[in-house]
Amino acid sequence: NAGVTQTPKFRILKIGQSMTLQCTQDMNHNYMYWYRQDPGMGLKLIYYSVGAGITDKGEVPNGYNVSRSTTEDFPLRLELAAPSQTSVYFCASREQTSGRRETQYFGPGTRLLVL
Amino acid sequence: DQQVKQNSPSLSVQEGRISILNCDYTNSMFDYFLWYKKYPAEGPTFLISISSIKDKNEDGRFTVFLNKSAKHLSLHIVPSQPGDSAVYFCATLTQGGSEKLVFGKGTKLTVNP
Repeated sequence: NAGVTQTPKFRILKIGQSMTLQCTQDMNHNYMYWYRQDPGMGLKLIYYSVGAGITDKGEVPNGYNVSRSTTEDFPLRLELAAPSQTSVYFCASREQTSGRRETQYFGPGTRLLVL
Repeated sequence: DQQVKQNSPSLSVQEGRISILNCDYTNSMFDYFLWYKKYPAEGPTFLISISSIKDKNEDGRFTVFLNKSAKHLSLHIVPSQPGDSAVYFCATLTQGGSEKLVFGKGTKLTVNP
């Protein structure tokens, strides 16, 4: 059981380039999330999805796009990379239940450097 | 403005002693709190949680205390072990079905042998 996997582990981008951060979970979780963590800061929510075909913005969505065509995959797209997007990106997922607070499970992260 | 605050960036303790990590929050509507642990180059992993209907939750060496009137929670680790060295994040869940996590900045705990 792999849990939440993310690729790539590390990437260097030039300003203006684009890329997609991949996230896959094998736990059949409906809820998936993208967070970024800047140095010395906590994680901030970029986008989230409550199921295939449904996505919504989090706290810091500008400069990013997401899609959710399957339950397993939740890719994050950067269209025009900027130095401010240098960060570590974490994908997470959780079960959907009613009346109970479920734990979010995190992937290992993608470290992105924009130069 | 931070909704969840961890005012101590770092903490160093001796092996076998107690580690106390603190967290403050601003919104009295928050009703569920979590602690996540993070090792370098890994994602955060869930450690322990507490609902606002309780003031204490214990799991092995880890205990979380909640003081609602002070909007304060703390994580106690007893006894501390070198393997506990990590960054600890306090977090809360927003209301509603999407249940988004709001994190503090984290406290780096170092347990010295």
